[in-house]
Formats: sequence, C-alpha cells, structure tokens
Amino acid sequence: GEDVEQSLFLSVREGDSSVINCTYTDSSSTYLYWYKQEPGAGLQLLTYIFSNMDMKQDQRLTVLLNKKDKHLSLRIADTQTGDSAIYFCAESTSFQKLVFGTGTRLLVSP
Amino acid sequence: ETGVTQTPRHLVMGMTNKKSLKCEQHLGHNAMYWYKQSAKKPLELMFVYNFKEQTENNSVPSRFSPECPNSSHLFLHLHTLQPEDSALYLCASSQDRGKLNGYTFGSGTRLTVV
Repeated sequence: GEDVEQSLFLSVREGDSSVINCTYTDSSSTYLYWYKQEPGAGLQLLTYIFSNMDMKQDQRLTVLLNKKDKHLSLRIADTQTGDSAIYFCAESTSFQKLVFGTGTRLLVSP
Repeated sequence: ETGVTQTPRHLVMGMTNKKSLKCEQHLGHNAMYWYKQSAKKPLELMFVYNFKEQTENNSVPSRFSPECPNSSHLFLHLHTLQPEDSALYLCASSQDRGKLNGYTFGSGTRLTVV
C-alpha cells in the first residue's frame, strides 16, 4: 500500500541548516511535494519535484530526491524562527491522489 | 488567504447537535477534498469530489455526510458526533487531481465535541 514516513520532530538553532527526511513507497509517484503548516493554519505548498529530477533549489530550500531508495529530503538553509512549523511530504500516487506523511515538527530556537 | 475559505474557524458542539462545515473555492478547481487532522496522527483523507461527484469515501462513519452542490462549494454535515471526532477538519481543492500543482488547503475548522 501507499505509505509515507517522516521523523516526528527536529530541533535546530537559528542560522543552522535543517534537513527534513521522508521515505515513500509508491515507485510510480510522478510528483513529490513539501507542505508547511503553521499553527492554526492549513497546509501551504512550499515546493515540489518531478520524479525525473534529482534536485531542485528554490531560494533557501533545496529538495533532494533519491528515487532508487525512495527518499526525499528538504533542506532549509539559514533556518529562521519563522520556519518553525510542521512540514509534510506528499507523493502523487498511481491512483492519482496525494498521500501525506505524518509531518515533522521543526522547532527553531534563537 | 489561500483561495480556499473554510467556515467556521472554530466550532464547539454537543454530541446531539447537528452542524455543518463549509468550504468554498474560486480557483476554478474541479476537485475538492475533506481531510481530518488529529493530534499525533497522519492526515486522514475522508472524501474526494471530482466535478461534483463523490469519487472516494475512506470508510468514514455515516455521522459525517458530505455535500458538493457545485465545483466551488463543499459541505460536511455533522450529527451525533463523538468526542474522538474532535480534530482540525481541512478542506482542499485541486485541478486535475492535483498532480502538477498539488492541493490548495483552507485554514481548517477546529472542531471540539463535548
């Protein structure tokens, strides 16, 4: 079945880099996504990567995709306190729906 | 605002009450979704509507009843809920199942059942 797994919690200091990891199971996924959820809000699409790409960079965000290992990561450079949130990865499956991970809570301390 | 509006933002209801959650989008999307987000649990997909037709019901109890009168509006009718139904209910919409641009989410309705 479809399954997307993430570690539950990550704590970093302001100015450091954060790396949030995700593993997925559907090898036919064509798009993989990263969403951010701030307290009291819905999920906001941060970035996505097409499955034939290895890397995508967008300002402070770098997405790495290892399709062989079905591993996706999101690196946030120069992490700020405003980056504190829950980050969800999601895959677009062969059944044409998005399957979300459990979410990783990122805590950035000053 | 993301383009998907949910009302109310907060709702407290008794177990015998009947209430409805509303979701509205004017993004021109053709698919709409209800998700349940509970503490320490993954996002649970409840219902999917595509061009007003329900295409997925993930074994949701009948005390949750969705309604999609048109592609822009989605409701979730609630009756005789249980305390364990307390959660954040998120609505989302997408174009063409969201493959390219993902889903656009509303801010959610925080539901408390007492």
